Amino acid sequence: GQNIDQPTEMTATEGAIVQINCTYQTSGFNGLFWYQQHAGEAPTFLSYNVLDGLEEKGRFSSFLSRSKGYSYLLLKELQMKDSASYLCAVRDTNSGYALNFGKGTSLLVTP
Amino acid sequence: SAVISQKPSRDICQRGTSLTIQCQVDSQVTMMFWYRQQPGQSLTLIATANQGSEATYESGFVIDKFPISRPNLTFSTLTVSNMSPEDSSIYLCSVFGQDRVTDTQYFGPGTRLTVL
Repeated sequence: GQNIDQPTEMTATEGAIVQINCTYQTSGFNGLFWYQQHAGEAPTFLSYNVLDGLEEKGRFSSFLSRSKGYSYLLLKELQMKDSASYLCAVRDTNSGYALNFGKGTSLLVTP
Repeated sequence: SAVISQKPSRDICQRGTSLTIQCQVDSQVTMMFWYRQQPGQSLTLIATANQGSEATYESGFVIDKFPISRPNLTFSTLTVSNMSPEDSSIYLCSVFGQDRVTDTQYFGPGTRLTVL
C-alpha cells in the first residue's frame, strides 16, 4: 500500500510564490505526478518526476527526493486562475502502473 | 497525449438502477483505468482494464458492482450496478500516452453521477 500526504488547504496572494509539499511511502516507486483540478473539471497534468531533482516548466516547478519520499510543487507569480486543487500522485509498479493519488491540496489565491 | 471522451457527461439516476459509462480514446492504448472521485475527495482507482483480459479490481471494488468491458484498444465501458446514493461520484476514465513507462496518464472529462 501507499501513504501519500499533502496539506489539505493553502492560501497565497496573487503574484507570490507557493510551495505544496507531498510525502509518500511506496515499495515500487516509478514516478511522481502533479495534477491540477479545477472544481467540476477533470485533472490536468502538470509535471512528472522520476529522478531526483527539479523539473521546471514555466511558472510551475516540481522537485523530487526519492530517498526522502518527498516532492514539492512550486508555483511562481501566482494568478487568480491558479486557485484549484493540486493532486500529488505516485505510480507504483506493484500496482500495475496505475496512479495512486493523495487527497489533494486546495489552493486559494487571493488578491 | 491522448484525447479521451466520455458519455454521458452527467446523469441523475434512481436508486436500484444501473448506468453504463462509455470511454472512447483517439488512439490505441493497452491499459485503461477507471477512477472514482467522491464529493470533496481525491481520486480512487476502481480497476484496470486491459484489452483481451479480465479487469483487475482494487480492494473494495468488485466485478458484480462495477462490471467493465474492454472490447478493443480504443474503447471501454464501466457499469455502476444497483446504484445507491453512496455511488454519487464523478467517474473518470484514464489512459497512458504513447509509452506507459515514461509517459503520463491522461484523464477523460468525467461522468458526474447523482443517485437519488
